[in-house]
Amino acid sequence: LAKTTQPISMDSYEGQEVNITCSHNNIATNDYITWYQQFPSQGPRFIIQGYKTKVTNEVASLFIPADRKSSTLSLPRVSLSDTAVYYCLVGVLYTGTASKLTFGTGTRLQVTL
Amino acid sequence: GAGVSQSPSNKVTEKGKDVELRCDPISGHTALYWYRQSLGQGLEFLIYFQGNSAPDKSGLPSDRFSAERTGGSVSTLTIQRTQQEDSAVYLCASSLEPGTDGYTFGSGTRLTVV
Repeated sequence: LAKTTQPISMDSYEGQEVNITCSHNNIATNDYITWYQQFPSQGPRFIIQGYKTKVTNEVASLFIPADRKSSTLSLPRVSLSDTAVYYCLVGVLYTGTASKLTFGTGTRLQVTL
Repeated sequence: GAGVSQSPSNKVTEKGKDVELRCDPISGHTALYWYRQSLGQGLEFLIYFQGNSAPDKSGLPSDRFSAERTGGSVSTLTIQRTQQEDSAVYLCASSLEPGTDGYTFGSGTRLTVV
């Protein structure tokens, strides 16, 4: 399973754009890249998923370079409520015998006024 | 149901006792996962179910841990002879297919072994 490396923590002011980069040098051909957000006392919540290039939804953007050895989660104009832990994961596509996702320690984002 | 439901939300037990943690996945989700999260740590995979079978039990930390799933729905994680190091939040997730597509997590069961 591909391991991921993320910064342990980041700080930002409200209204700024936040970019969190994740390294996954051993990503396999069948692996997707998925990001989750976790608030205290809650389970992680799916944010965005991609395979290559750029993916955008109403919450975030995900940038994946051609070699796929890293990815960057971009949160536009963060607010105090975006204070959370963000996990980057890589995992296999559905094959019928797929296995688990491996969560790293995540990036703790602190947003202040 | 609308989401993944876990019960109890909190459990305090004495060292040496057995505990059962329950997970009700989203209706129709075939894949079910158990993870453990210790204080300030990331998530540790425990076990994965596809239907009622568990093709991957590699994360169970010891033979005191077991899990089953019945009717392709509800799952129970059992910890026998609990130890203090078992104290953690136990999270359950389900998805339509195994893989990475949009796991939905429950809020977890906070287990405290005293």
